[in-house]
Parts: sequence; structure tokens; C-alpha cells
Amino acid sequence: ELKVEQNPLFLSMQEGKNYTIYCNYSTTSDRLYWYRQDPGKSLESLFVLLSNGAVKQEGRLMASLDTKARLSTLHITAAVHDLSATYFCAVDNAGNMLTFGGGTRLMVKP
Amino acid sequence: GAGVSQTPSNKVTEKGKYVELRCDPISGHTALYWYRQSLGQGPEFLIYFQGTGAADDSGLPNDRFFAVRPEGSVSTLKIQRTERGDSAVYLCASSLTRSSPLHFGNGTRLTVT
Repeated sequence: ELKVEQNPLFLSMQEGKNYTIYCNYSTTSDRLYWYRQDPGKSLESLFVLLSNGAVKQEGRLMASLDTKARLSTLHITAAVHDLSATYFCAVDNAGNMLTFGGGTRLMVKP
Repeated sequence: GAGVSQTPSNKVTEKGKYVELRCDPISGHTALYWYRQSLGQGPEFLIYFQGTGAADDSGLPNDRFFAVRPEGSVSTLKIQRTERGDSAVYLCASSLTRSSPLHFGNGTRLTVT
């Protein structure tokens, strides 16, 4: 059974600081996704990572994938309040039937 | 263009009642998925349709849950004899093919009292 674990579950950080969210998964995967979810809203796709060593960046967020370690990271650079949300990683090993991590609730304080 | 549409956005029902949740996918998307997100958790896969057929229903928690997609477009998730533990946000997603990016709807928040 595929298991996906994120840490930390909750992260409170100051604006301007850097931090990393970790996503570990237990079996080989085709693809790994990062999603953002604002309270009461649906899931917004941020990144899809397809191969070992893949790195993608959008604004202050950068995601990477190490398939050998079964680890993905989401790095936040110089956080701003607008990044406050819950972030999920999700592993796809069967055609869009995703297994999600438990989420990391990020609060960025002024 | 229009995204994945789910109705109703909120549903409150009493324990033991029957509910139907509707999903209207993006036009032309052959693959449709239902997920369930309990409070404070990540979404969990329920069922996947390819066209009209349920290709994988391994995520349905028990036989009170059933879903259909009779014409290969709109799908309905049906829950019989609802229980308080069924309270969650039910998310629908669609994709052009199984390997195309998923597009999620805004979900239906089901509350069983």
C-alpha cells in the first residue's frame, strides 16, 4: 500500500524567511504533484514532477524530486503572507488515482 | 472555459437519509474521478470512470456508496443510509486522458447531522 507522509504538518513562519516542506512516499511512482488549497477552496495544481532530479520553480516556490530517496521537497524562498495556505503533495502511481499526503498548513506572519 | 462543476456546493442531511452529489466535468474529458476530503486531511481516492464505466472503484469505503456516469459526461455519487462519518468534502476531478493533468471542482461539502 502506497503511503505518503508530509512534514511538518503545521508551519508558522515570518515573512522573508526560507523554509522547506518534505514529502516522503513508500513505493515507486510515475509522477508527483504539489497542490495548494486555500480555506474552503478546491485544489490548485502547482507542480508536476516526472523524473528523478526534476526541479521546477514558480515565483517563491521551488519543487524537487529524488526518486531514489522517494522524497520530494517544496522550498519557500522569502515567504510572503499571500503564500499562507495548505500545501499537499500527491503521488500518482496509477493514472491520476492519487495518494495524498496529510498536508502542511503554512501560516506566514508579517 | 468552464471548469469542473459540482452541485450542490453544500448539502446538509440527516443520518440515515439518501443523498446524490453531481459532477459536470470539463467538456471532452473522458476520465472522471471522485475523491473525499475529511476535515484536516488530504483527499482520498474513491472511484475512477473512463467513459461510462467505473474502471476502478477500489476507494469506495463500503456498499452504501455508488457512482454512475451513464452517458460518459455527468457523474453522480450516491450515498445510501448516510452516517455522520460520511461528513466531508467530496471532490470531483476530470482529465482529458488518464495521463493528462487533473482539474478539480470546488467540491460538495456534505454534513450529516
